[in-house]
Amino acid sequence: DAKTTQPPSMDCAEGRAANLPCNHSTISGNEYVYWYRQIHSQGPQYIIHGLKNNETNEMASLIITEDRKSSTLILPHATLRDTAVYYCTDSWGKLQFGAGTQVVVTP
Amino acid sequence: DTGVSQNPRHKITKRGQNVTFRCDPISEHNRLYWYRQTLGQGPEFLTYFQNEAQLEKSRLLSDRFSAERPKGSFSTLEIQRTEQGDSAMYLCASSRPPGQGAGGYTFGSGTRLTVV
Repeated sequence: DAKTTQPPSMDCAEGRAANLPCNHSTISGNEYVYWYRQIHSQGPQYIIHGLKNNETNEMASLIITEDRKSSTLILPHATLRDTAVYYCTDSWGKLQFGAGTQVVVTP
Repeated sequence: DTGVSQNPRHKITKRGQNVTFRCDPISEHNRLYWYRQTLGQGPEFLTYFQNEAQLEKSRLLSDRFSAERPKGSFSTLEIQRTEQGDSAMYLCASSRPPGQGAGGYTFGSGTRLTVV
């Protein structure tokens, strides 16, 4: 069963920032926050992960609240290629996925 | 390193037949995971290995399903007496254990099974 909750869908204009929320109501102290995305007919792709601190890489930024009960994935300049289902999860080891957020980037 | 490789990419089989899928993980990853995904749903965990040891199996993994990783490298997932409800994408992923510089999982492209 999924441990996280996400909105089912979100639209974003090309070139704008996309902020994807996630609630981690049952996260425990040693569990990392992970974000993945899945483009149709492909396997999920790792985006970013973090434990307590905010993180940034070439794909995205991850903001984790101080109580770690929620996180936000930020795509700073969304492109059409960012249209995908985005999954957040928290885990020490085995990942469990919910239904994710369908993000549609429009021109 | 070519990532996680899964074969075949597609499999169509008749109900009642047995099928076997193969997964070749990233060589330095000692954890290997199998997931199943149906349309509109996120991947569902089936089982995982650390080296050759199968450490956990989901209740979704009925007795018709068996997974092996005999030498701690590649893995196979076999489904016996397939049913139409087994039609899904079967995903394999690999990783280092948590705490060992683990980033995320690396997933393969999956094997799409259609049972007719």
